[in-house]
Amino acid sequence: EAGVAQSPRYKIIEKRQSVAFWCNPISGHATLYWYQQILGQGPKLLIQFQNNGVVDDSQLPKDRFSAERLKGVDSTLKIQPAKLEDSAVYLCASSLGGAVAGPGGELFFGEGSRLTVL
Amino acid sequence: GDSVTQMEGPVTLSEEAFLTINCTYTATGYPSLFWYVQYPGEGLQLLLKATKADDKGSNKGFEATYRKETTSFHLEKGSVQVSDSAVYFCVLNTGFQKLVFGTGTRLLVSP
Repeated sequence: EAGVAQSPRYKIIEKRQSVAFWCNPISGHATLYWYQQILGQGPKLLIQFQNNGVVDDSQLPKDRFSAERLKGVDSTLKIQPAKLEDSAVYLCASSLGGAVAGPGGELFFGEGSRLTVL
Repeated sequence: GDSVTQMEGPVTLSEEAFLTINCTYTATGYPSLFWYVQYPGEGLQLLLKATKADDKGSNKGFEATYRKETTSFHLEKGSVQVSDSAVYFCVLNTGFQKLVFGTGTRLLVSP
């Protein structure tokens, strides 16, 4: 079974530039997440989708970050304009979601996209 | 709010030593608890889980018991190997698959 795919793996940009990350979840997974992992910290949830609707985006800095999940499958996360403090690994995860998965449902993570802002 | 506190690393051990990584949590309701592991150059993956009090999760020789009275979920392994070197995250699921991560503990095992 194919895992969660993310691209690009690495990106280096100047501050104030824009960047986009792409995620393809595991087939059939209704729930998709974007996490931000700053060096030395645990991942922090940015946004959670259930199919193509947003469940939680309370920690997404909406003045510069945006995310969409068209057709309830692939997702893109965009940062515009980037700041130095956005340097982090951006993790995408997916799960079956909803009552099927229950509270013990497992999240499956991609390898992440490492962003360096200079 | 819901939170997870885990011991800071790095934890440095020799091969075959006993491992404990402490984890305590604060949550309302009845969360599920997980340990996720991140091996060098790889994505996060589930190591083990427990969905209710007194449950014991186990996998690959690792164990953790969900202790509601002490709000803890400590990770243990009787004999670590070099291949266990990784970052370990204690994680809380407050429901609807919303995860709260600890800061991670790096384990370094030397031959």
